Amino acid sequence: DVKVTQSSRYLVKRTGEKVFLECVQDMDHENMFWYRQDPGLGLRLIYFSYDVKMKEKGDIPEGYSVSREKKERFSLILESASTNQTSMYLCASSPPLGAYNEQFFGPGTRLTVL
Amino acid sequence: DQQVKQNSPSLSVQEGRISILNCDYTNSMFDYFLWYKKYPAEGPTFLISISSIKDKNEDGRFTVFLNKSAKHLSLHIVPSQPGDSAVYFCAALRHPGNQFYFGTGTSLTVIP
Repeated sequence: DVKVTQSSRYLVKRTGEKVFLECVQDMDHENMFWYRQDPGLGLRLIYFSYDVKMKEKGDIPEGYSVSREKKERFSLILESASTNQTSMYLCASSPPLGAYNEQFFGPGTRLTVL
Repeated sequence: DQQVKQNSPSLSVQEGRISILNCDYTNSMFDYFLWYKKYPAEGPTFLISISSIKDKNEDGRFTVFLNKSAKHLSLHIVPSQPGDSAVYFCAALRHPGNQFYFGTGTSLTVIP
C-alpha cells in the first residue's frame, strides 16, 4: 500500500520562527511536491523536486525553501514564518510522468502562525 | 495565472441524483486530466483520469467527459451518495513535464 507521511498533522508557530515540514514517501518515487491549500485558491504549488538535490520553483515559492537529500524525503522550510503562511500544507509524490500519471498525497499539515 | 478553473465553489445534490462538476482549462497543451477527491483533514485521493486522446472514461459511478475544443471537462457521479460529499479538484498536466496544475476545487454536498 502506497504511503506518503507528513511529520505533523497540526503545528502552531510564532511569527519569525523557522519552521520545518517533513515529508516521507515509501514508493521510491522520483518526483515530490509541496502544495498549500487555501479556501478559494485550491492547491498551489510551492516547490517540486524531480531527483535528489534537484528542485524547481512552483507558482508561489517566495518565503519558502526546500531540501531533498534523500530520495524518500522532501522537506519544506519556512525561513521566517509569517501569519500569511497559515495554511494547509500538502506533500505529494509521483513516478516520472508517462504512461502512468498520478500524484499520491500525504494527509496534510495544518500550520497556524501566530 | 490560473490555467485550470472550477467556477462553482459549491454544489448541493439530493442523494440518488446526478452530480455534475465542471472544470475549464486554458492551456491547449494539456494532454492528461485527473479528478481528485478530498475530505477535511485528509490529503486528496485520486478518483479518475482521462487522456486527451479520449473523450470519455468511466469507472463505476464516476464518468469523466472531455471536450477538447471547448477546453472543458466534467465529472458525473451517478447516483450520488452522502459519502461523496467532499471537495473535488480537477488537475491537468502536459508531457513532457512533471507539474500538475490544479483547479480551485468544488465542494459537493449530497443531501440524504
